[in-house]
Amino acid sequence: AQSVTQPDIHITVSEGASLELRCNYSYGATPYLFWYVQSPGQGLQLLLKYFSGDTLVQGIKGFEAEFKRSQSSFNLRKPSVHWSDAAEYFCAVGDTAGGTSYGKLTFGQGTILTVHP
Amino acid sequence: DAGVTQSPTHLIKTRGQHVTLRCSPISGHKSVSWYQQVLGQGPQFIFQYYEKEERGRGNFPDRFSARQFPNYSSELNVNALLLGDSALYLCASSLFDFSRELFFGEGSRLTVL
Repeated sequence: AQSVTQPDIHITVSEGASLELRCNYSYGATPYLFWYVQSPGQGLQLLLKYFSGDTLVQGIKGFEAEFKRSQSSFNLRKPSVHWSDAAEYFCAVGDTAGGTSYGKLTFGQGTILTVHP
Repeated sequence: DAGVTQSPTHLIKTRGQHVTLRCSPISGHKSVSWYQQVLGQGPQFIFQYYEKEERGRGNFPDRFSARQFPNYSSELNVNALLLGDSALYLCASSLFDFSRELFFGEGSRLTVL
């Protein structure tokens, strides 16, 4: 069964500092990978996705992520964090095999980002 | 354009009661998925529906059921509520059943007392 691990439950950075949120997945083939962001009391907003091709993916709000097959990782990065980036971030994996529910994403536990001024 | 809309946004029920949550997908989207997000955890897949047919089911008891209507809107029903059913219930829509890019609503916050 596929799974996602986000090792850091809570990360604190200063505004303007760089950010890297870790995500490791377990899946038998090349997965579909996603990063979502959730503000308190809100739904999930898609930041970026990887389906195939270039392993460095650009997303919205200045975020990027790199797919590393050898490390089963899909870490999220941002060169300079803004106070408005404070939120909870979820990594998710989608099944690529046929005959399964394509609407099913498996999410990690999430990483809460706090930004200090 | 309107995004995914869910109702109600908040509700409180007592143990043993029944609840119905509603979801309207983005216009043109034909697939709806439901997720449960317990406080402090990531969302967990409950159901996916496409063209009124169930296309996938997560590891949830039979107390959970859903359906999709001809206009592609959907309902999630939970019977015999337990305290552990307290969660944010998220609905997501996508264009087709094989679309993996999901667009989420803001959720329905259910509290079971």
